[in-house]
Amino acid sequence: EAGVAQSPRYKIIEKRQSVAFWCNPISGHATLYWYQQILGQGPKLLIQFQNNGVVDDSQLPKDRFSAERLKGVDSTLKIQPAKLEDSAVYLCASSLNRAETQYFGPGTRLLVL
Amino acid sequence: GQQLNQSPQSMFIQEGEDVSMNCTSSSIFNTWLWYKQDPGEGPVLLIALYKAGELTSNGRLTAQFGITRKDSFLNISASIPSDVGIYFCAGYPNTNAGKSTFGDGTTLTVKP
Repeated sequence: EAGVAQSPRYKIIEKRQSVAFWCNPISGHATLYWYQQILGQGPKLLIQFQNNGVVDDSQLPKDRFSAERLKGVDSTLKIQPAKLEDSAVYLCASSLNRAETQYFGPGTRLLVL
Repeated sequence: GQQLNQSPQSMFIQEGEDVSMNCTSSSIFNTWLWYKQDPGEGPVLLIALYKAGELTSNGRLTAQFGITRKDSFLNISASIPSDVGIYFCAGYPNTNAGKSTFGDGTTLTVKP
């Protein structure tokens, strides 16, 4: 069974630029999560989708971050414009349903200069 | 929001030694999870605990769901070099069953 796929694996941008990350969850998984993991910390949930609807985006900085999961499968996370403090690993995870076991992708490492 | 405190922050041990780490919360959790993260990878689930007092093993790993529902423990017996990594606890709080919270991890180094 294929795992959660993410791309790109690495991205370096300058502050005020825009960036987008892509996630393809495990087939059949209804719930998709985006996490931000700052160096030395645990993953922090940014947004949670159930199919193509948002369940929780309470920790998403909505002035610069946006995410969508239009057809209930793939998802994109965008940052516009990026700040230095956005440098982190962005992890995507999926689960069959809410509160089920989450499977994580390898993450996208973002460096904002 | 919910906060999980993990300790110790880091551990340096000799191969063959046993390891213990724990996670505490100020509020009640319905589910406790233990993950391991290798460099350059996402976290991988090791053990899930669903009931207060539950003790579950996965090979050399054993985890317990504290009876107060506010803490959990992970033990690794007879450590080997591939146990190196960051161990995270996570949980689903009683107040929001669909949203998990992660601790900041325990970094384990095993010297051969």
